Amino acid sequence: EAQVTQNPRYLITVTGKKLTVTCSQNMNHEYMSWYRQDPGLGLRQIYYSMNVEVTDKGDVPEGYKVSRKEKRNFPLILESPSPNQTSLYFCASSVTESPGELFFGEGSRLTVL
Amino acid sequence: AQSVSQHNHHVILSEAASLELGCNYSYGGTVNLFWYVQYPGQHLQLLLKYFSGDPLVKGIKGFEAEFIKSKFSFNLRKPSVQWSDTAEYFCAVKVYYKLSFGAGTTVTVRA
Repeated sequence: EAQVTQNPRYLITVTGKKLTVTCSQNMNHEYMSWYRQDPGLGLRQIYYSMNVEVTDKGDVPEGYKVSRKEKRNFPLILESPSPNQTSLYFCASSVTESPGELFFGEGSRLTVL
Repeated sequence: AQSVSQHNHHVILSEAASLELGCNYSYGGTVNLFWYVQYPGQHLQLLLKYFSGDPLVKGIKGFEAEFIKSKFSFNLRKPSVQWSDTAEYFCAVKVYYKLSFGAGTTVTVRA
């Protein structure tokens, strides 16, 4: 089944404790992206990747890191999480380097205490 | 950077009523436009998209949208809503490699 898989789906952590949210897609998509969803603000793009080893900042990259060493994986790293990073995170992928239809993962709800 | 504005935060209507959700964007160049829907507890799904050609685009579940370039708008419509259309609707605009979303409109359909 074609899908975007995120882990963990739910996480409660404490300020400063490094964490990684994994994202994997099995559709051989070129483009991958991370968004955070907050009430009243919609989805805001954190980082995106047009292809392996090619990443760029979205609108809200501060406090996040990404890497794209393999085509299928695009992990989101929070080096030192803070409470303002409490949010619902979505990973998405698209067939081509310039994104058309995005296919979304199920979301990862992160709480930073 | 482009911005995407959705006019309504929350819309409440009865079954069989018509729905129109507004979306405006700020970028003056070539854009691709999308409407996504998020049903309660689910991830986003594509409703429809506009890349070029006929500015009136038909999507799934009876939705359609009209691209008006002069108004920088891409409004979503459905002639007759059902209870199952209760969801959050997001307009999105793509410029080069960046795909930006609006804040979303929550639609509640009362039976």
